[in-house]
Amino acid sequence: QLQLQESGPGLVKPSETLSLTCTVSGGSISSSSYYWGWIRQPPGKGLEWIGSIYYSGSTYYNPSLKSRVTISVDTSKNQFSLKLSSVTAADTAVYYCARRGDEGVDYWGQGTLVTVSS
Amino acid sequence: DIVMTQTPLSLSVTPGQPASISCKSSQSLLHSDGKTYLYWYLQKPGQSPQLLIYEVSSRFSGVPDRFSGSGSGTDFTLKISRVEAEDVGVYYCMQGIHLPMYTFGQGTKLEIK
Repeated sequence: QLQLQESGPGLVKPSETLSLTCTVSGGSISSSSYYWGWIRQPPGKGLEWIGSIYYSGSTYYNPSLKSRVTISVDTSKNQFSLKLSSVTAADTAVYYCARRGDEGVDYWGQGTLVTVSS
Repeated sequence: DIVMTQTPLSLSVTPGQPASISCKSSQSLLHSDGKTYLYWYLQKPGQSPQLLIYEVSSRFSGVPDRFSGSGSGTDFTLKISRVEAEDVGVYYCMQGIHLPMYTFGQGTKLEIK
């Protein structure tokens, strides 16, 4: 059974860089059938796609966040990562990593709350 | 950018009764490959979203057949034939015509009367 697990600091200071890692188990991140991505959800609000990456390293970012986002993949560790720079309180959210296959975004991590505060 | 609009934003349903949620997109979700990239998700309280329906009307593995999706072009509907207590949560539609980029509707909260 495929599992995704987010990890990283739960508290980030304003203007600093948010860094999260998603570890994939039960399947290979190098499969040509899937994209791997990040989605976030501010407390009490809806879902916002941040960006996606293919195992080859090709990336796709939400235009509204593109200038601050970097997503990378480490196939040797079966992980992919998110960096979001110059964070503000508006970036406080639960961050999910997820897999997109032929049937849509079919597997999600449990999510991790990141709070931006001094 | 494609905007996804859901109605209603909340509904309260008696167990055993049907429920329906509408989702409208600002652009057609029909791709040149013939597929329509519209998905439905349920986010139960305290959980990650889970995929219910893909490509308008196909149920994802393990999804009960009381859930069904329909529609075309820009207008889509999720129907629950007989609501059960475990169906509570927030339902989201999502467009994926520009995969791997996607956008979500604002969500519809389903409560049990």
